[in-house]
Order: sequence, then structure tokens, then C-alpha cells
Amino acid sequence: AQRVTQPEKLLSVFKGAPVELKCNYSYSGSPELFWYVQYSRQRLQLLLRHISRESIKGFTADLNKGETSFHLKKPFAQEEDSAMYYCALRKTEQGNLIFGKGTKLSVKP
Amino acid sequence: EAGVVQSPRYKIIEKKQPVAFWCNPISGHNTLYWYRQNLGQGPELLIRYENEEAVDDSQLPKDRFSAERLKGVDSTLKIQPAELGDSAVYLCASSQPVNTEAFFGQGTRLTVV
Repeated sequence: AQRVTQPEKLLSVFKGAPVELKCNYSYSGSPELFWYVQYSRQRLQLLLRHISRESIKGFTADLNKGETSFHLKKPFAQEEDSAMYYCALRKTEQGNLIFGKGTKLSVKP
Repeated sequence: EAGVVQSPRYKIIEKKQPVAFWCNPISGHNTLYWYRQNLGQGPELLIRYENEEAVDDSQLPKDRFSAERLKGVDSTLKIQPAELGDSAVYLCASSQPVNTEAFFGQGTRLTVV
């Protein structure tokens, strides 16, 4: 069965420190991977997707098929990055998103 | 553009009572999703519509949950009767043809007491 695992419920770092939010997935095919973010009192929104291979708000994520991982990274965390981050997988043959349980990132001043 | 609009934002009901949630997707988005998000969990799909057709309702508890999307635009999700375990945030999302970005609404937080 398809599954997305985010091992950290909470990640706390200081402003300016590097941050890495881990995501591992299980899927036998070629998935699409996404990171969604939810800031306080805001709706869930797309942060980035692996097929775009772009950097959004300084965040990047590389799909590693060998390790079945899609970790989210940022070299210098900012206080405004504090939010819930969800990794999600979509099987290529249908549109449903399968989400991980989320990681709460707290960036301290 | 208001984005995906859901109402109500909050709902508190007693167990065994019925409840309904409403979703207005982004104009032109043919695909509509209902997700349920339990506390401390990620969203889980309940049902997906392509226009007015429910193409994936395998995770919808059909004994008490029902959904409809008349005319392929707005959608309602109903629970009858509600149980304590139904307390969650119910999210609606929409997208253009299926493999594009899904936009989420603010959600409806349901508390069953």
C-alpha cells in the first residue's frame, strides 16, 4: 500500500540555522511528490512539487528514488517559516493525494 | 478570487444528529475532493468528483456519510447520524484536470459531543 512517513512531529530550530524536514514514501510505481504548508490560521497550500525542481521561499526538495525520500531543505530558516508541513504523494494514474502526518516546524528568534 | 469556499467554518453537534458541509470550488475546476483530517494526522481522502461523477469514494463510510455534487459545481457532504469519532476537520479541495495543483478551502471543524 502507498504510504508517506514523516518521522518528526515537531522540529525546532533557531533563526538562521539549516532545516531539513524528512519525508519517506512507499510506492511501487513512479509517484509525484509534493510538499504542502499550512501557516497559522491559513489554509493548506502547495509549497513545491518535485517535477518543478524549483526553489520556493528558499526551500528545495529532491526526489531520491533509491532511498524513496523527498526531504525538504532550507539553508537558513526564518521565523516566518514556522508552520505545519505535509509531504504528499500522488500516484501518477489518479489524482488522489496521500498525505503524511505532518511536521510542525518552529523557528525560534 | 476567493478560492475554495467552505461553510460553516465550525460546527458543534450532539452525537446521533445529522450535519452537512458545503463547498464551492474555484470556478472552472472540474475535480473536487473531500478530505477528513483528524487531530495530529494528515488529510485523508473521502471522495473525489470529476464534474458530477464520484470517481473514487472507496474511503467514504457509506453507512453514514453521503455526498453530492449537483451540476458539477458546488458539493455537499453529509453525515447522518454523527458519531463522536467523526470529530475532525473536513477539507474541500478543487483542481483542474486531475494531475494539477489542488487548492484547499479553509475547512470545517466538526465537534461531536
